[in-house]
Amino acid sequence: EPEVTQTPSHQVTQMGQEVILRCVPISNHLYFYWYRQILGQKVEFLVSFYNNEISEKSEIFDDQFSVERPDGSNFTLKIRSTKLEDSAMYFCASSRGQSNQPQHFGDGTRLSIL
Amino acid sequence: AQSVTQPDIHITVSEGASLELRCNYSYGATPYLFWYVQSPGQGLQLLLKYFSGDTLVQGIKGFEAEFKRSQSSFNLRKPSVHWSDAAEYFCAGRYSGAGSYQLTFGKGTKLSVIP
Repeated sequence: EPEVTQTPSHQVTQMGQEVILRCVPISNHLYFYWYRQILGQKVEFLVSFYNNEISEKSEIFDDQFSVERPDGSNFTLKIRSTKLEDSAMYFCASSRGQSNQPQHFGDGTRLSIL
Repeated sequence: AQSVTQPDIHITVSEGASLELRCNYSYGATPYLFWYVQSPGQGLQLLLKYFSGDTLVQGIKGFEAEFKRSQSSFNLRKPSVHWSDAAEYFCAGRYSGAGSYQLTFGKGTKLSVIP
C-alpha cells in the first residue's frame, strides 16, 4: 500500500539554525499538509498546499516557516531560524482530493532544538 | 470554534475484553470525522472515516465507530481487544464545507492492554 515517507526520522539542530524537513507524499495525491505535535499536546495543523501554493495556514505558521514542492515528488517544510519551542514531532500528510478524501500521514520527523 | 474532545486520557482493558473510546465534537454543521491510531515510534494510521450516510462505519483491524448526531459523538469500538491494539488513539474532525480542510485533533486516548 502506498505511504507517505518522511526524512529524517530525527533531526537535532542548534537554536537559530535553519532546518528543512522532507516528505514524499503518495504519488497520485494532490493536496499536502504539515502538522506538528509538541510532546504531551494535541496534533496541530500548520499548513495545507495545493497547486504550488499555500491554500490554508494556521496562526502557528508564521514568517519563520515556509513550504515548497521543489520537484514532482518532494514536499518540504523549512524553519528559518529555529527556536527551542519548535521542538516537536512534525507530520506530513497528503490526500487525493479535499472534499471527502482522508488525509494519510507519514511516520513523522522528531525535531529537537538545542 | 470547532473542537474535538476525548474525555479519557488513558484506558486499560484486558485482552479479549470489549473496548469503547469516546469522542465528542463541536462544529457548526456535521463534520467529517476520523479515528487515527499511533503506535510507539510510528505515524498516524487511519482506522476509519465518516463522511455521510450510514452512521455505523467499519474500519481496519476490526474497529468500528458510530456517529450520533444527537450526542455529538463518534465513539470507537472493538468487540475483543488484542494485545497489539495497545497504542494511542486520536479522534479528528474536519469542516465538511468548502474552504477549510484542516483536521482538528483530540488530545488522544492511550490504550493499555493487560494480557
